[in-house]
Amino acid sequence: NAGVTQTPKFQVLKTGQSMTLQCAQDMNHNSMYWYRQDPGMGLRLIYYSASEGTTDKGEVPNGYNVSRLNKREFSLRLESAAPSQTSVYFCASSETRVGGYTFGSGTRLTVV
Amino acid sequence: GENVEQHPSTLSVQEGDSAVIKCTYSDSASNYFPWYKQELGKRPQLIIDIRSNVGEKKDQRIAVTLNKTAKHFSLHITETQPEDSAVYFCAASGQTGANNLFFGTGTRLTVIP
Repeated sequence: NAGVTQTPKFQVLKTGQSMTLQCAQDMNHNSMYWYRQDPGMGLRLIYYSASEGTTDKGEVPNGYNVSRLNKREFSLRLESAAPSQTSVYFCASSETRVGGYTFGSGTRLTVV
Repeated sequence: GENVEQHPSTLSVQEGDSAVIKCTYSDSASNYFPWYKQELGKRPQLIIDIRSNVGEKKDQRIAVTLNKTAKHFSLHITETQPEDSAVYFCAASGQTGANNLFFGTGTRLTVIP
């Protein structure tokens, strides 16, 4: 039982490059989330997926897209990376309306 | 959407003393309030949570209190130990069915041996 697995753990991009962050959970959770964490700003929701087949914008969705590939997997795509997207990205999952999140180990992304 | 404020941003206590972190929220419809601990370079981990139909919850040295009228909730850690040193985040649920959480900006707790 791995919980929530994120890849990659580290990534450096040049401005304008694209990339996809992968997330998979093996807890049969319905809901999945992408957050970014910046110093002094806590965790801010980018996108979420309440259930397989649905996605919705969170607090800071601009510059990102997501795909809920199946119940297990939820990916985050940066189409044209900008230095403002330098951050630590966390994927999380939860059983809807039941309890707290289980977080992945994070992806540290630097855009130069 | 929900707005969660957390204070203080940093807190230093002597080992064995108590630590209190406070949060306020804006949306009276919020009904779930978890607390997360994040050690340096690690993922946030749930340490305790409380629902709106309960005023207080304890788990060994950790307790959380909720005042729905005033829209604030607090984390209390007693008999602090060096391993309690970490960043603590409070959160409050949003209104959507997806159990969205809105996080405070975090409190860096340092326990001095």
